[in-house]
Amino acid sequence: AQSVTQPDIHITVSEGASLELRCNYSYGATPYLFWYVQSPGQGLQLLLKYFSGDTLVQGIKGFEAEFKRSQSSFNLRKPSVHWSDAAEYFCAVFGQNFVFGPGTRLSVLP
Amino acid sequence: DTGVSQDPRHKITKRGQNVTFRCDPISEHNRLYWYRQTLGQGPEFLTYFQNEAQLEKSRLLSDRFSAERPKGSFSTLEIQRTEQGDSAMYLCASSSGTSEYEQYFGPGTRLTVT
Repeated sequence: AQSVTQPDIHITVSEGASLELRCNYSYGATPYLFWYVQSPGQGLQLLLKYFSGDTLVQGIKGFEAEFKRSQSSFNLRKPSVHWSDAAEYFCAVFGQNFVFGPGTRLSVLP
Repeated sequence: DTGVSQDPRHKITKRGQNVTFRCDPISEHNRLYWYRQTLGQGPEFLTYFQNEAQLEKSRLLSDRFSAERPKGSFSTLEIQRTEQGDSAMYLCASSSGTSEYEQYFGPGTRLTVT
């Protein structure tokens, strides 16, 4: 069975600081991996995806993520956070179907 | 490309009533998904259509839930005899055949069962 864990329920960072959101997955084979962002009142928006190849993937809004097979992880990073990045972030895996993690809420201090 | 739309955005109903939600996917997207999202959780997969065919249903989808996509365009999700536990955000997403794993989500329908 597939599963996704996001160990951090809520993270607060200062504007301009770097960010790393953790995601661990469980799946028997190499899954397809995704990060989505959800702002209040908005639908989920795809930030980036990993299917195969280069384990460091670039996404929109300056985000990147690194797939580490040995750690079953797909952590999301951003070098400098903007106030507009405050939102809920979801990691997702597609194996047999889409499974989303519980989300990490990001707050940004001015 | 007007995005995925869902109607209504909010629905308040009394326990035992039936409700129906509509989803209009991005035109020419042949795949359509329904999810349920409760507070503090990520979306949970409910069901999936390819064109008009319902190809997969989650065990979360009890007999009170039914979904249709009669002409392979818009879809409806009906909940019969609503229960308080049905209160959630119901999300619809669509994807194309060429980028089937890139889902575009609608804004959701928030259901409150009183």
